[in-house]
Amino acid sequence: RKEVEQDPGPFNVPEGATVAFNCTYSNSASQSFFWYRQDCRKEPKLLMSVYSSGNEDGRFTAQLNRASQYISLLIRDSKLSDSATYLCVVTTEDYKLSFGAGTTVTVRA
Amino acid sequence: DVKVTQSSRYLVKRTGEKVFLECVQDMDHENMFWYRQDPGLGLRLIYFSYDVKMKEKGDIPEGYSVSREKKERFSLILESASTNQTSMYLCASRATGSTDTQYFGPGTRLTVL
Repeated sequence: RKEVEQDPGPFNVPEGATVAFNCTYSNSASQSFFWYRQDCRKEPKLLMSVYSSGNEDGRFTAQLNRASQYISLLIRDSKLSDSATYLCVVTTEDYKLSFGAGTTVTVRA
Repeated sequence: DVKVTQSSRYLVKRTGEKVFLECVQDMDHENMFWYRQDPGLGLRLIYFSYDVKMKEKGDIPEGYSVSREKKERFSLILESASTNQTSMYLCASRATGSTDTQYFGPGTRLTVL
């Protein structure tokens, strides 16, 4: 079983729509959680950290559910520029990062 | 502005060749990492280094070695390249501490013929 699993998508949504997707992780000792964004042929970049109480950054909302071992990302009022692959990232107590394979989001005009 | 650079964006090598991929960061980070990224598999950790001259195997170290002689530089070595090592290779660095962001280089797309 992979340490971090994501629905690969693609999620194809119109501008202005809301899109949400989850990521599950297998290691209950995981301590830190992140969403990274990766544009086509570019390197991953940190989008946001995910805190236990959930957090927002503009149109992006991240949630953590430790009991069910998943994190989620919700994008409101989607923009064309939100088209990217979103990587779920989880750290364990030995500070190693485990990456999901990514969820592709395509926002159409 | 943080900066991680990799020696090549694109590289084509032949089976059996020795390949060096270099990564340099200018953030004085202690931790550096080498990943490969393949479709459907995500990023997989090859090796990482906590400090100069220190290295640890990641999840898929077979066929690779690394060198960290200076804090800012972390090299990935393919002793004898094989076609299944065709991939995107990403270097990253991070300051000590599990909650700190990893900063990635632009990646090297290696093709082994």
